[in-house]
Amino acid sequence: KQEVTQIPAALSVPEGENLVLNCSFTDSAIYNLQWFRQDPGKGLTSLLLIQSSQREQTSGRLNASLDKSSGRSTLYIAASQPGDSATYLCAAVFGNEKLTFGTGTRLTIIP
Amino acid sequence: GAVVSQHPSRVICKSGTSVKIECRSLDFQATTMFWYRQFPKKSLMLMATSNEGSKATYEQGVEKDKFLINHASLTLSTLTVTSAHPEDSSFYICSAPREYGYTFGSGTRLTVV
Repeated sequence: KQEVTQIPAALSVPEGENLVLNCSFTDSAIYNLQWFRQDPGKGLTSLLLIQSSQREQTSGRLNASLDKSSGRSTLYIAASQPGDSATYLCAAVFGNEKLTFGTGTRLTIIP
Repeated sequence: GAVVSQHPSRVICKSGTSVKIECRSLDFQATTMFWYRQFPKKSLMLMATSNEGSKATYEQGVEKDKFLINHASLTLSTLTVTSAHPEDSSFYICSAPREYGYTFGSGTRLTVV
């Protein structure tokens, strides 16, 4: 069964610190992996998409990596800000065009 | 670009009534639309996949007669929750695959009282 897991479920970090969010998946035959942000009661905002042929993608203070052999992806956030507080979800496509979502990490940046 | 507009954003209905949720692709043609459900503090669970001009494909455990999906055009997919009950209260969200990832609607918060 193809599963996506995110640990920890919640994380609190002082403002200004760099942080890493983790995402694990069980099937190395991944097509692509996408990181999303979800604010309370809101929809999803796409942050970064990594194709299976890529190892990382960067956008501003965000950097996402993909290691298929170990079944891991990370989202690195530099110089965290209170506005970064949200739930971060990773989702993988395993070839059937369907997104399989992780359980999410609720991030709180402490001013 | 690649915007999916979802309406309504929030709806409260009485038990036994039906509610329709719409997702429109504003600047592209969506031949496929995924419908998800999200319980509080939980991740998104795929309910069904709608394809323009054909019957929707439902995930295991999802009642097709309760969650009616219609994808009659390349720009509109609808989810109708029929004979709603309080346990149907949830956050529903649609998504369309794009060349570079997926684009999501803004979600609909359904509360059945």
